[in-house]
Amino acid sequence: DVKVTQSSRYLVKRTGEKVFLECVQDMDHENMFWYRQDPGLGLRLIYFSYDVKMKEKGDIPEGYSVSREKKERFSLILESASTNQTSMYLCASSEPGQGFTNYGYTFGSGTRLTVV
Amino acid sequence: DAKTTQPPSMDCAEGRAANLPCNHSTISGNEYVYWYRQIHSQGPQYIIHGLKNNETNEMASLIITEDRKSSTLILPHATLRDTAVYYCLYLSGYSTLTFGKGTMLLVSP
Repeated sequence: DVKVTQSSRYLVKRTGEKVFLECVQDMDHENMFWYRQDPGLGLRLIYFSYDVKMKEKGDIPEGYSVSREKKERFSLILESASTNQTSMYLCASSEPGQGFTNYGYTFGSGTRLTVV
Repeated sequence: DAKTTQPPSMDCAEGRAANLPCNHSTISGNEYVYWYRQIHSQGPQYIIHGLKNNETNEMASLIITEDRKSSTLILPHATLRDTAVYYCLYLSGYSTLTFGKGTMLLVSP
């Protein structure tokens, strides 16, 4: 069964801490994505990557950075966590040429981050 | 911003067909319509996608109008486990999906 695995299901961090959210996929997908999901706002794209060491800003990149040193791993970094970054974070992966594949994006189960 | 319009919520009786509508009037000719769903506290799950023709798989059917400005997802025999938020979306640009607020489908006994 193909999978996108997020390292933590729940995480509590203090304001100002540096936070790493890890995501690993076992499908050899080239594309990986980080979304956050908040009540009333839906899913919003933070960053994405089309290849190793490549990254592109999504709709809400402020306060975040990413790292993709290996094809299977895509990390989201909160340089200095703030309370407004309390959210559900979802990682996804897909094959290139997304519109011509059969299964779209595969999402992880999410990490619920609370910043106190 | 999401470019699709869906009703915020719908109800369906268990065992009946659930028909979820979506308007996507700005879709262009080579963009696929995708449907996902999200069960509480889980990541979104792919359901089905299509371009022009109607599609069916083990989960659902997708009916796309001839002008491609709208589509309907059909769950033929809804179960309680189909209670979820259903998202209709299409690819705009290169490989990034934009999610709207979706439709909360509540399946009742």
